[in-house]
Amino acid sequence: EAQVTQNPRYLITVTGKKLTVTCSQNMNHEYMSWYRQDPGLGLRQIYYSMNVEVTDKGDVPEGYKVSRKEKRNFPLILESPSPNQTSLYFCASSLVSGGDLGGYTFGSGTRLTVV
Amino acid sequence: SQQGEEDPQALSIQEGENATMNCSYKTSINNLQWYRQNSGRGLVHLILIRSNEREKHSGRLRVTLDTSKKSSSLLITASRAADTASYFCATAPTGGGNKLTFGTGTQLKVEL
Repeated sequence: EAQVTQNPRYLITVTGKKLTVTCSQNMNHEYMSWYRQDPGLGLRQIYYSMNVEVTDKGDVPEGYKVSRKEKRNFPLILESPSPNQTSLYFCASSLVSGGDLGGYTFGSGTRLTVV
Repeated sequence: SQQGEEDPQALSIQEGENATMNCSYKTSINNLQWYRQNSGRGLVHLILIRSNEREKHSGRLRVTLDTSKKSSSLLITASRAADTASYFCATAPTGGGNKLTFGTGTQLKVEL
């Protein structure tokens, strides 16, 4: 089944403790993105990648890092999480730029709470 | 920045009625997409309309795009209780690479 897999689904952590949220897709997509979703703010793009070793900042990159060492994986790293990073996170992938062929495929989400 | 803004923020209708949601955006786009999200779950792509298209259909969905007004509408005909969800428009800006910017969404409730 074609899908984007995120792990974990739920995570509670403490301020300052480094964490990684994994994202993997099995569709050979070149384009991948991370979003966070907060009430009243919709989805905001954190980082995106257009291919292996090619990443760029989205609208809210502060406090996050990403890497794209393999085409299928695009982990999101929080080096020192803070409570304002408590949010619902989504990874998404697309075959072509801007989702121009059939849109983006989203993962099921990771609900992160930083206390 | 929020490229797309949906209107209304919330909509409640009876099963069998039509639901119309609107989206406005600010910059030049390559395409506009609509997604559905069931409570707290991942988004599901519904339909995409390119900047050179004016109308598109997919099953009970009809999307229109007016680039001169920078607006789009999503019409769901003969709604069902299972259509209850949040609906988001997303825009891929011209020359924007992999940027896809979402609006804040319309919460649709379809009552029996």
